[in-house]
Amino acid sequence: RKEVEQDPGPFNVPEGATVAFNCTYSNSASQSFFWYRQDCRKEPKLLMSVYSSGNEDGRFTAQLNRASQYISLLIRDSKLSDSATYLCVVNGGSYIPTFGRGTSLIVHP
Amino acid sequence: GAVVSQHPSWVICKSGTSVKIECRSLDFQATTMFWYRQFPKQSLMLMATSNEGSKATYEQGVEKDKFLINHASLTLSTLTVTSAHPEDSSFYICSAREGTTTTDTQYFGPGTRLTVL
Repeated sequence: RKEVEQDPGPFNVPEGATVAFNCTYSNSASQSFFWYRQDCRKEPKLLMSVYSSGNEDGRFTAQLNRASQYISLLIRDSKLSDSATYLCVVNGGSYIPTFGRGTSLIVHP
Repeated sequence: GAVVSQHPSWVICKSGTSVKIECRSLDFQATTMFWYRQFPKQSLMLMATSNEGSKATYEQGVEKDKFLINHASLTLSTLTVTSAHPEDSSFYICSAREGTTTTDTQYFGPGTRLTVL
């Protein structure tokens, strides 16, 4: 089993839709979690950290489920500009971040 | 957020030459810097972790003599691709982290696109 797994997609949704991605991790000792966004041929940019209590930033909500070892990202009211690849990052006890392969989102008019 | 710069942003070189890529944290001191490589439509692959003042830790399968990493200061790390070959053509991205705990965020440089002819 890979350390961090994501459904590569693509998720193809209309503007205004709500879409959710999951990311599973295998190391139960993992301590911190992040979602990054990567546009084509660009570097990843931090979207949000994921806390145990979950967190929300505008249209984006991130949740952590330690029991089932996954994190989720929910995007409400999708915009065309949300089209990108969303990367899940898990930091284990060794402080080395592990990236998922990313989930591709395409928002169409 | 914190700013990380990379230089050059792109480079084209002949096979057999060496290429040096610089990664700088502009407004914070980076205890740890990471070097990644990304091939088209692939995920980021961690190549090595570098801590200021110590030798880099390379991931399995990454040749340390081919990819030389130097982290001489808290704001600068360099990656040198020695005797580059066409298969080394890729997008190289560095990231920098200020603290030493796992909750510390890493910030990415804009990447360097290397093409070896």
